[in-house]
Amino acid sequence: ILNVEQSPQSLHVQEGDSTNFTCSFPSSNFYALHWYRWETAKSPEALFVMTLNGDEKKKGRISATLNTKEGYSYLYIKGSQPEDSATYLCAWGNTGKLIFGQGTTLQVKP
Amino acid sequence: DVKVTQSSRYLVKRTGEKVFLECVQDMDHENMFWYRQDPGLGLRLIYFSYDVKMKEKGDIPEGYSVSREKKERFSLILESASTNQTSMYLCASSPHLMNTEAFFGQGTRLTVV
Repeated sequence: ILNVEQSPQSLHVQEGDSTNFTCSFPSSNFYALHWYRWETAKSPEALFVMTLNGDEKKKGRISATLNTKEGYSYLYIKGSQPEDSATYLCAWGNTGKLIFGQGTTLQVKP
Repeated sequence: DVKVTQSSRYLVKRTGEKVFLECVQDMDHENMFWYRQDPGLGLRLIYFSYDVKMKEKGDIPEGYSVSREKKERFSLILESASTNQTSMYLCASSPHLMNTEAFFGQGTRLTVV
């Protein structure tokens, strides 16, 4: 079983705080690293798909970095808002297989 | 708008019943996946398929089987439902190369009593 680990498991922050989560994954046979956002009562939706070592991606206040040699990715949220409350999932992808971590659940208090 | 559609949002079945969960995608994707989601355990891969009639076991295939007779449809089968299969089941699809995102269905919450 391939291990994709996320930390922390949950996080509570105040509105306006910046925060970050970690995803660690096997560095061998790496092909792609995905980040998804999963809101309650909705389906997971993709934030980023990264394939190159050193990749950095940004969407609004959310950004992500990738280190394939050491097997980790960081997701950053700048100035958290209550609508950012969700579970954030990372997934390791390789030709047909997509393995998820257990997720980080973020609660942003107004 | 791209779509992955699961046949039921909620299901209640009895122990020992044969259960079919259906998933259909309209994006002509090669890959399709079945996951189950349990509190604190994230999404665990049950089975996946990268082509019609092809199937591969994921991390937790025991008690499940799958069928992919057509490219757009991927069925998860619980041969004899048990209470420990009570869970949220999510279907997803993606292009063959994993360098683009996967799309998810709305989930089926299955309760086995």
